[in-house]
Amino acid sequence: KQEVTQIPAALSVPEGENLVLNCSFTDSAIYNLQWFRQDPGKGLTSLLLIQSSQREQTSGRLNASLDKSSGRSTLYIAASQPGDSATYLCAVLNRDDKIIFGKGTRLHILP
Amino acid sequence: EPEVTQTPSHQVTQMGQEVILRCVPISNHLYFYWYRQILGQKVEFLVSFYNNEISEKSEIFDDQFSVERPDGSNFTLKIRSTKLEDSAMYFCASTISAKNIQYFGAGTRLSVL
Repeated sequence: KQEVTQIPAALSVPEGENLVLNCSFTDSAIYNLQWFRQDPGKGLTSLLLIQSSQREQTSGRLNASLDKSSGRSTLYIAASQPGDSATYLCAVLNRDDKIIFGKGTRLHILP
Repeated sequence: EPEVTQTPSHQVTQMGQEVILRCVPISNHLYFYWYRQILGQKVEFLVSFYNNEISEKSEIFDDQFSVERPDGSNFTLKIRSTKLEDSAMYFCASTISAKNIQYFGAGTRLSVL
């Protein structure tokens, strides 16, 4: 059964720092991996999607990598800003077409 | 920019009552999903829907749950007889193809009293 784990559960960093969020999954037979952002009381906003055949995706200050064989993904945020404060969720799409989410990392950027 | 809309934003109901949560997916999308998030817990997959039928469902999606696409625009989740443990945020999502980015609505907060 697929398990998705995100470490750390919470992170506070000063504005301007680069940071890395980690995601691991137990079953490497996935179609893709997606990173989402969730603001308090709001829905999920897709940030990046990496297909199983890809190694990384970039969007602006965000870079996501995928190492399928080791069951790991990272989300790199460059030059963090207070507006980046949110919960970041990692989710994998399994071969059975079900999406499994991690519990998320709560990120707080200190002004 | 097109978006997934969900109504109502907050639904309060008594235990045992039926509720219908409504979603309007993005208009050219073909795959539709419901998820739930109990407070403080993970987002959990409930069901996927394509071509007017359920594609996949999780163990959570038991006989108390049903989904419907009654017309060309709405996608609904019905809970037949709500329980206290059904209290959660329910998110609808849609995508143009099964392995593509899913777009989520803002969610409906369901409170069962």
